[in-house]
Amino acid sequence: QVQLQESGPGLVKPSETLSLTCTVSGGSISSNYWSWIRQPPGKGLEWIGYIYYSGSINYNPSLKSRVTISVDTSKNQFSLKLSSVTAADTAVYYCARSVFGLDPWGQGTLVTVSS
Amino acid sequence: DIQMTQSPSSLSASVGDRVTITCRASQSISSFLNWYQQKPGKAPNLLIYAASSLQSGVPSRFSGSGSGTDFTLTISSLQPEDFATYYCQQSYSTPYTFGQGAKLEIK
Repeated sequence: QVQLQESGPGLVKPSETLSLTCTVSGGSISSNYWSWIRQPPGKGLEWIGYIYYSGSINYNPSLKSRVTISVDTSKNQFSLKLSSVTAADTAVYYCARSVFGLDPWGQGTLVTVSS
Repeated sequence: DIQMTQSPSSLSASVGDRVTITCRASQSISSFLNWYQQKPGKAPNLLIYAASSLQSGVPSRFSGSGSGTDFTLTISSLQPEDFATYYCQQSYSTPYTFGQGAKLEIK
């Protein structure tokens, strides 16, 4: 079955750019929508945005000015970049497939913003 | 943005109890409502999609109902592994939004 795995640095300095990659295995990325979601420690879930394999994108307006989501079908991966990060961007970042609901999810990766 | 409000935010119950969690949307979302279970340190897991459809592999003690603005998640007979936090999420329009969560604890 389809599995997702996030990867990227666990520590990012304030004002820099957070970069994460989600690798899809067990299926092709060339179908469905693919989302990024984050969860600050001890808090709720926030949808960041999604991308369709063809490149169609939708971002959360609350983050739109700082977010870029892209897809690399040759590697079966999609990526997240979040610029000008602050401590408020410290969170577990998840990737997930968007079909009927968000399923499956990656295991998540904690990104801490600190100098 | 569509606001999702869950109630209660926390509840305690015993094994074997029937439990209901509600979710209210700030505007009609038809049946575009999903439910997730999250255990500590783990990613959320989809339980119910489209308000009442049971995700493959999810035990039948979980059920969902509702449409428009009011929705419920029911666990018919609590099992020890059901103690977790539950989130609703609307997929009617972007930005997708989640409820604040309902933490289910052992009484």
